[in-house]
Amino acid sequence: EADIYQTPRYLVIGTGKKITLECSQTMGHDKMYWYQQDPGMELHLIHYSYGVNSTEKGDLSSESTVSRIRTEHFPLTLESARPSHTSQYLCATKPLLDLGPQYFGPGTRLLVL
Amino acid sequence: AQSVTQPDIHITVSEGASLELRCNYSYGATPYLFWYVQSPGQGLQLLLKYFSGDTLVQGIKGFEAEFKRSQSSFNLRKPSVHWSDAAEYFCAVGGYNNNDMRFGAGTRLTVKP
Repeated sequence: EADIYQTPRYLVIGTGKKITLECSQTMGHDKMYWYQQDPGMELHLIHYSYGVNSTEKGDLSSESTVSRIRTEHFPLTLESARPSHTSQYLCATKPLLDLGPQYFGPGTRLLVL
Repeated sequence: AQSVTQPDIHITVSEGASLELRCNYSYGATPYLFWYVQSPGQGLQLLLKYFSGDTLVQGIKGFEAEFKRSQSSFNLRKPSVHWSDAAEYFCAVGGYNNNDMRFGAGTRLTVKP
């Protein structure tokens, strides 16, 4: 069954640590996105990709980086985690030439102490 | 710039009662409109979408939404709410690229027994 996977689902980590949030998909979609979600706020786009070797920054300034070496995989890396990075991170996918919706993974909830 | 407003942060309804969640959007061209639902600890699940044509669209779980261009609204409705409908609901607007999809801040629905 086509799906979007995010690991870990929950992560508690200390300040200054390097972390990578994983997103993988079996949807066969070219476009992938990372959103940051905080309670009572709209989702904010932090990174997106059109396909392999394509990465773009979203409208929310972020200290994270992404890579897209394989179509199925779009990891998000924080080189040095800070308490301000505490949030939920959602990965989404979409076909390249499609006017339709984005499809979301289950999310990773990050707490930086 | 496009934007989405969900005027109600939190709504409480009794089980079996009808429901209407409001969504107003601002978009310079033909909007593509979506409603998503998010259960605690989960990602966003697509309820329904509007691209063109019939302004009343049907979605999953018995939900429907009506597009009213004159009011820039896309309100979500359900005739009889079930306890399992308790969740957070997000309205979103996108354009052709959908890289610039904008989400509202969400409406949290509580269902009373």
